[in-house]
Amino acid sequence: AQSVTQLGSHVSVSEGALVLLRCNYSSSVPPYLFWYVQYPNQGLQLLLKYTTGATLVKGINGFEAEFKKSETSFHLTKPSAHMSDAAEYFCAVSDSFNKFYFGSGTKLNVKP
Amino acid sequence: DGGITQSPKYLFRKEGQNVTLSCEQNLNHDAMYWYRQDPGQGLRLIYYSQIVNDFQKGDIAEGYSVSREKKESFPLTVTSAQKNPTAFYLCASTSTFGGLDNQPQHFGDGTRLSIL
Repeated sequence: AQSVTQLGSHVSVSEGALVLLRCNYSSSVPPYLFWYVQYPNQGLQLLLKYTTGATLVKGINGFEAEFKKSETSFHLTKPSAHMSDAAEYFCAVSDSFNKFYFGSGTKLNVKP
Repeated sequence: DGGITQSPKYLFRKEGQNVTLSCEQNLNHDAMYWYRQDPGQGLRLIYYSQIVNDFQKGDIAEGYSVSREKKESFPLTVTSAQKNPTAFYLCASTSTFGGLDNQPQHFGDGTRLSIL
């Protein structure tokens, strides 16, 4: 069975600082990994995905994530936080049956 | 533009009442999903459907029912058996076209259900 753990339900950074949101997964097969962002009272929007190939994945809004198989991690980073990045972020893994498993989410607060 | 439409955006349920949440997609996706979102708990899978006229229970199916009579539509009924229905409900879909890597899910904007 697949599972996803996001360390830190709340992360606070200053504007312009590095953003690091942690995600570890458990998967018995090569995983398909995703990061989503959710703004209040909205659905989830895809930031980036890893399926196969290059382990460093670039997404929208300057975010990127690195797949590290040895660490079973897929942490999300952004070099410089912007006020508009304040939202909740979800890491997800899908299995070969197109069933998705989501982490519990990390709320990012960006301080001016 | 293609997307997923959920309606209504806000819904109120009286005690003992069944209510139905609508989810329609024009992305030509085969698979559709319903999630429940509660604060601090992430997304929990209620039901999912890979093809028309077939669906499977997710992790928290009790008190809910679905149908999949058309590819575009996957309505969710919250029955009176669901004793704590207050939550944010999200519908999603994904392409399962053969041979492709797993595709990401696309989400609607959600329906917030409250008890009167």
